[in-house]
Amino acid sequence: DTEVTQTPKHLVMGMTNKKSLKCEQHMGHRAMYWYKQKAKKPPELMFVYSYEKLSINESVPSRFSPECPNSSLLNLHLHALQPEDSALYLCASSHLSGGTGELFFGEGSRLTVL
Amino acid sequence: KNEVEQSPQNLTAQEGEFITINCSYSVGISALHWLQQHPGGGIVSLFMLSSGKKKHGRLIATINIQEKHSSLHITASHPRDSAVYICAVRDSGAQKLVFGQGTRLTINP
Repeated sequence: DTEVTQTPKHLVMGMTNKKSLKCEQHMGHRAMYWYKQKAKKPPELMFVYSYEKLSINESVPSRFSPECPNSSLLNLHLHALQPEDSALYLCASSHLSGGTGELFFGEGSRLTVL
Repeated sequence: KNEVEQSPQNLTAQEGEFITINCSYSVGISALHWLQQHPGGGIVSLFMLSSGKKKHGRLIATINIQEKHSSLHITASHPRDSAVYICAVRDSGAQKLVFGQGTRLTINP
């Protein structure tokens, strides 16, 4: 199994809603990532988890709250988002965060904030 | 100046043509990745390189560490190769990838 599975594929939410994005991998990878991608731009790193601990937070606003309940799962909790947060949110994993391991990306969750 | 620069930004070619996409970087790296993204889709990792050359099917990736340059070649291009190709480098000792702006490739039948 070389897949990173993200759910939901599409999400529409209002600015007062609370929702979550989920990411799952069963490759035994110990590094997991959240990226945000706006149209026609490269992905921007948001968070890195290494061995289930948050190792990088790229100064992401607190309305985005990551969680890594176990080595296979990564969540991104969303609350009080703004329309400019509408984007494709990509999850990725790799064997080790600081090494040269290959990255595996999910298909992404396309978020629209109304 | 961006740490990772790709050229060209856009490329349109006819089916069957040989395609080359270039990537230059300015930092010391531990690895370089070539990624593919179809419109509206997720990202697929094509290659991870730290030296030399790799081949997978019709795709070939090369890297010259001394010149800080990598190329992605597609032989016998096909319309299904139409996608954005992204070069990304892993800064030595860092956990982060630095991405190029991408090359939008269109292969016409």
